[in-house]
Amino acid sequence: DAGVIQSPRHEVTEMGQEVTLRCKPISGHNSLFWYRQTMMRGLELLIYFNNNVPIDDSGMPEDRFSAKMPNASFSTLKIQPSEPRDSAVYFCASSLAPQGQFFGPGTRLTVL
Amino acid sequence: GESVGLHLPTLSVQEGDNSIINCAYSNSASDYFIWYKQESGKGPQFIIDIRSNMDKRQGQRVTVLLNKTVKHLSLQIAATQPGDSAVYFCAEKNTGTASKLTFGTGTRLQVTL
Repeated sequence: DAGVIQSPRHEVTEMGQEVTLRCKPISGHNSLFWYRQTMMRGLELLIYFNNNVPIDDSGMPEDRFSAKMPNASFSTLKIQPSEPRDSAVYFCASSLAPQGQFFGPGTRLTVL
Repeated sequence: GESVGLHLPTLSVQEGDNSIINCAYSNSASDYFIWYKQESGKGPQFIIDIRSNMDKRQGQRVTVLLNKTVKHLSLQIAATQPGDSAVYFCAEKNTGTASKLTFGTGTRLQVTL
């Protein structure tokens, strides 16, 4: 199994631009999670899906952030418009309940 | 100015010694616990898990101990190696929250030669 796949691995963009992060979960997993990790705040859960349905988006910082999961093998996290304070590493993880989550390699986002 | 970030506790261990990393969890309703290892520039990596009906579980060179009375979790690494240097996170799952995990702030393990 290839594990959780994220793209791009690195993204550098300018303030105000739209950013789309992509995730392919492990095949057969029914839950998908988006996290953000910064030095200031550590690992934060943004949103998670169960069977492609958003269950808890209370961690999404603002309306500028949105996430979709159109099918069991793909999810996107979009930031529009992006701001410098959005710079972080964004992780996607997947799991097959009730087992633990497996993380992707992350996308390092830099907003200038 | 200097940025202020999370202050991670650091455990420094000599190569070959055993390491014990501790974690206090908050929710007595948590029924599942996981230890993750995060190396620099990588995502958290699943190490070992334990359910609340157990108090000990062993893996390869790692053992997790769970004390529900005092809500304490520990990760023991035998014969610590330089490749064990990383940040270690404990995570807990509440019975009623499906797959959602709550992560601790992490402990940095430094292995000295």
